[in-house]
Amino acid sequence: SSELTQDPAVSVALGQTVRITCQGDTLRSSYASWFQQKPGQAPILVLYDRDNRPSGIPDRFSGSRSGNTASLTITGVQAEDEADYYCNSRRDTSGNGLVFGGGTKVTVL
Amino acid sequence: EVQLLESGGGLVQPGGSLRLSCAASGFTFPSYAVNWVRQAPGKGLEWVSGVTGSSGKTYYADSVKGRFTISRDNSKDTVYLQMNGLRVEDTAIYYCAKESTSTSSGAFDYWGQGTLVTVSS
Repeated sequence: SSELTQDPAVSVALGQTVRITCQGDTLRSSYASWFQQKPGQAPILVLYDRDNRPSGIPDRFSGSRSGNTASLTITGVQAEDEADYYCNSRRDTSGNGLVFGGGTKVTVL
Repeated sequence: EVQLLESGGGLVQPGGSLRLSCAASGFTFPSYAVNWVRQAPGKGLEWVSGVTGSSGKTYYADSVKGRFTISRDNSKDTVYLQMNGLRVEDTAIYYCAKESTSTSSGAFDYWGQGTLVTVSS
């Protein structure tokens, strides 16, 4: 399958924890990368290879994988975490290209 | 400092062509894969195409296969996207994105600011 499925939106209170999921068959054998995008800006990489953070990304961002589901967890959500979050991974098990999930809008209450 | 600078976007009629360029600097260009990702107005991200760093192998989304061609010139640190047979649904901001490795894994660690392509009559 070449699809990655994300919940369209989630809300979380300031300081609480939110988990964003990404489901797809290829996630059983490939890791997801996660991107944050704020309005009018290019996306930025926040996690890759399941739980690696690029330099400058706070450690409140963490990742995991179970079966066909990859998760991005934000622990102690801050106001600046309000954004759209996208996962991506390989499109198929042959490694022929990539695919993005539909994105999850995170609203901080 | 890693920089990716896209150019070549603009307004084109359906069926027309455009060539996008992504000029890179600040890293060893031949060692990394580079991809094109697009975002239609108000929509999510869509991976379009990628080219690996070492072998120059290319990949395409089904939506553009046969119409778009990605290439890279390692002597100019530049990646190109030749877009032919453009359709209204190709209207989007096109981003150039660098992979963190030479292969195509999806870990895009640097992005350009994008160039807008509008397909309309």
